Amino acid sequence: DVQLLESGGGLVQPGGSLRLSCAASRFTFSSCAMAWVRQAPGRGLEWVSSISNSGGNTYYADSVKGRFTISRDNSKNTLYLQMNSLRADDTAIYFCAKEHYFESWGQGTLVTVSS
Amino acid sequence: QSVLTQPPSASGAPGLTVTISCSGSISNLGSNVVYWYQQLPATAPSLLIYRNNQRPSGVPDRFSGSKSGTTASLAISGLRSEDEADYYCAGWDDSLRGWVFGGGTKLTVL
Repeated sequence: DVQLLESGGGLVQPGGSLRLSCAASRFTFSSCAMAWVRQAPGRGLEWVSSISNSGGNTYYADSVKGRFTISRDNSKNTLYLQMNSLRADDTAIYFCAKEHYFESWGQGTLVTVSS
Repeated sequence: QSVLTQPPSASGAPGLTVTISCSGSISNLGSNVVYWYQQLPATAPSLLIYRNNQRPSGVPDRFSGSKSGTTASLAISGLRSEDEADYYCAGWDDSLRGWVFGGGTKLTVL
């Protein structure tokens, strides 16, 4: 079975930065597009960003464009999300997902933006 | 306000069938396929239906999807208590150049 393990979440002050990681295993990571989806407490799902298998194409939700950067290291089977200029409304569980259409999901990592 | 519109709640008695709708527009469901996800309490979402009506391996055939124009539907037949979950529809939006989700439907099995 596909395994996706997120890490890097935590408490950060408004305006701060955080980098999330997603370690992938049990599938050919370099052949698959990847994505980040978040869920604010008690709310629904919101797509954040996607990246092609090579990393050459990236896509962002308007709510994070210019502040977040998605990247990947295919030699390490790892997906990243660099989050800068964090705001209170970025508080959420961040899930990494396999393929553009979120075929498989990790368990998520909680990001809390608060002073 | 979500781009795709779902009813916030749905319910049905065990054994019966419930249908959840997902309404979009020409730029999303009218032009692209729809996906459905199930999120059981306190767990990560999982893919339930892909490309309008396809089930991943392991998903029971009690779950079925359909799409017509800008509206999609998820039907769950033979309702069971373990079907209690939040259900989300999603699709690519050509105008927004991004993925959009419905607001989610909380299913209660009476």
